Amino acid sequence: DQQVKQNSPSLSVQEGRISILNCDYTNSMFDYFLWYKKYPAEGPTFLISISSIKDKNEDGRFTVFLNKSAKHLSLHIVPSQPGDSAVYFCAARRTGGYQKVTFGTGTKLQVIP
Amino acid sequence: GAGVSQSPSNKVTEKGKDVELRCDPISGHTALYWYRQSLGQGLEFLIYFQGNSAPDKSGLPSDRFSAERTGGSVSTLTIQRTQQEDSAVYLCASSLVSGVWTDTQYFGPGTRLTVL
Repeated sequence: DQQVKQNSPSLSVQEGRISILNCDYTNSMFDYFLWYKKYPAEGPTFLISISSIKDKNEDGRFTVFLNKSAKHLSLHIVPSQPGDSAVYFCAARRTGGYQKVTFGTGTKLQVIP
Repeated sequence: GAGVSQSPSNKVTEKGKDVELRCDPISGHTALYWYRQSLGQGLEFLIYFQGNSAPDKSGLPSDRFSAERTGGSVSTLTIQRTQQEDSAVYLCASSLVSGVWTDTQYFGPGTRLTVL
């Protein structure tokens, strides 16, 4: 049962353009969402997060949007740079005691110079 | 400061053998997690340690898998009688406090396990 879904396994974008990575979730109890970025042969690194009390969180070139009614979130990267080429994982959790994070399957982003 | 380290970085073993994977978390981090990523799959939760509490083993796929955390620091994931389906990248992560909204997990580089 995949509770966090990233339906696009890969995405190619021209340098300077916007990259939009999508994520859907099924568990309505999730109330905190994270994006991680992973380069080959390295562990994932935290990128940006959003809590369910917000619908947008911005950090530099990265913005995460949350649509709770649609159970959908997206990561926007503007402008995209070649160094952004990596696998991006969406993750979700719910609060209340210890709650483990559930990860999606990842989207491989390639930014073409 | 030093991040999460894992050893070995690569492990090739024969079916039926036992393997041990090691994780050194960031100093002072009380929570430690093991995940694995099989080919084409997301990050699958395996086990979680928090301080002196009993570990959450709900993600371990079978009783061939076990893990321990000695002295609240280093952790070892053991896979007995390895099977080919155990081939994956095993990732360890640690965080300062668990159960808090803003706690972030810091991942190690992973151990790539190949079972022939």
